[in-house]
Amino acid sequence: DVKVTQSSRYLVKRTGEKVFLECVQDMDHENMFWYRQDPGLGLRLIYFSYDVKMKEKGDIPEGYSVSREKKERFSLILESASTNQTSMYLCASSFKLGTQETQYFGPGTRLLVL
Amino acid sequence: EDKVVQSPLSLVVHEGDTVTLNCSYEVTNFRSLLWYKQEKKAPTFLFMLTSSGIEKKSGRLSSILDKKELSSILNITATQTGDSAIYLCAASGSARQLTFGSGTQLTVLP
Repeated sequence: DVKVTQSSRYLVKRTGEKVFLECVQDMDHENMFWYRQDPGLGLRLIYFSYDVKMKEKGDIPEGYSVSREKKERFSLILESASTNQTSMYLCASSFKLGTQETQYFGPGTRLLVL
Repeated sequence: EDKVVQSPLSLVVHEGDTVTLNCSYEVTNFRSLLWYKQEKKAPTFLFMLTSSGIEKKSGRLSSILDKKELSSILNITATQTGDSAIYLCAASGSARQLTFGSGTQLTVLP
């Protein structure tokens, strides 16, 4: 069974704080993704990575950065949190493109920025 | 820009009803279309469709892809309260990611 875990289920931070969201998958997947989900807007891709130390911007990368030092771990960083980054953050992983595109999701982190 | 549109945005039915959820897509070099169910937390995978006209079935849920119309439908028969969820549709193309629709919120009343 594929397992994707995220470091926190709920997080409350203050404006200007640096925030780290961690994601770990145990299926040796090449691809990992960070999304945010907001009512009426669906899932929007922030960043993704298809290999260690590789990263690509998604649709809404502004205000975020990522780190992938190990294959199983993909971190999302909010350098200076702002209230408009209050959202549900979902991490996902998948096998290499061309073999299986199904993405498996973690339980999500609900972030509130005050 | 790749785009996925789902309809309706929300739907309220009674137990036992049959529902049809719609998804249309505009994706460069389309590869596959996926359906997910999201209850309180993470989306869980339902179906992946790559070929037109071939129905995929899992219990009371079924889905089919129409590549000519650039669309897919998800059917749920004999709905139960446990089917209440957001149903997400996503399409993959030449890029390495999925483009998601905004989802259909299904509420099944007892």
